[in-house]
Amino acid sequence: SQQGEEDPQALSIQEGENATMNCSYKTSINNLQWYRQNSGRGLVHLILIRSNEREKHSGRLRVTLDTSKKSSSLLITASRAADTASYFCATNGNNRLAFGKGNQVVVIP
Amino acid sequence: DADVTQTPRNRITKTGKRIMLECSQTKGHDRMYWYRQDPGLGLRLIYYSFDVKDINKGEISDGYSVSRQAQAKFSLSLESAIPNQTALYFCATSGGGEQPQHFGDGTRLSIL
Repeated sequence: SQQGEEDPQALSIQEGENATMNCSYKTSINNLQWYRQNSGRGLVHLILIRSNEREKHSGRLRVTLDTSKKSSSLLITASRAADTASYFCATNGNNRLAFGKGNQVVVIP
Repeated sequence: DADVTQTPRNRITKTGKRIMLECSQTKGHDRMYWYRQDPGLGLRLIYYSFDVKDINKGEISDGYSVSRQAQAKFSLSLESAIPNQTALYFCATSGGGEQPQHFGDGTRLSIL
C-alpha cells in the first residue's frame, strides 16, 4: 500500500526561520495532503496538492510535488511558536489516505 | 461544539475486556474512518465506511470490529483487548472525493 515517509523526523528552529519537511511515497497517487497535529489533539488538514500540480501555496505554506521522484515538500515560512506541532503527509490513491510517520517541529520563541 | 466527537477521551482497562469506542459527527459526511496512532508509526487505518451499509477493513483490522449505526455514528470495538492494542485511536470523517478528512481529538486507550 502507499505510504508517505517524512524526512527529517524532528526539527527545531528559531521563530522567524523557515521549516522544510519532505515526504516520499511509493505508488501512484491522486493527490497528496499535509496535516498538522498539535499535542493531544486530532489532525487538522493544511493543504492538498493534486498529482497534476507541481506547487501550491496557502498563506505561509508552500507545498511542492514531484511525481517523477514520488516526493513532496512542505515549507512553512516565517515560523511562529504556534507552528510547533507534528506534521504528516498523506497520500490518496484509492479514496483512502496512507499517512507517513510524521515530523515533529519545535519553534523556539 | 466539536464536529467530530469521540468518547471516551481516555480509558484504562484490563486484558480480555471488551471495549467500545464511539464516534459521532455533525458534519453530515458519509465517510467515516478509524485509525490508531502509535509513537513513531504514524496513523494506520483500522476500518472505514463510505455509507451506512458499507464497511471495509483497513490495513490493521485484526482484533477489531466496527458498527455504523447511522450516518453520524461509527463505533470501534475491541472484543478481547490485549496490551499491544494500547494506543491513541482517532475517528475521522470526510465528504468523499478530494475533501479532506476531519478528525476527532482521539481516545487514549491503555490496556493493562
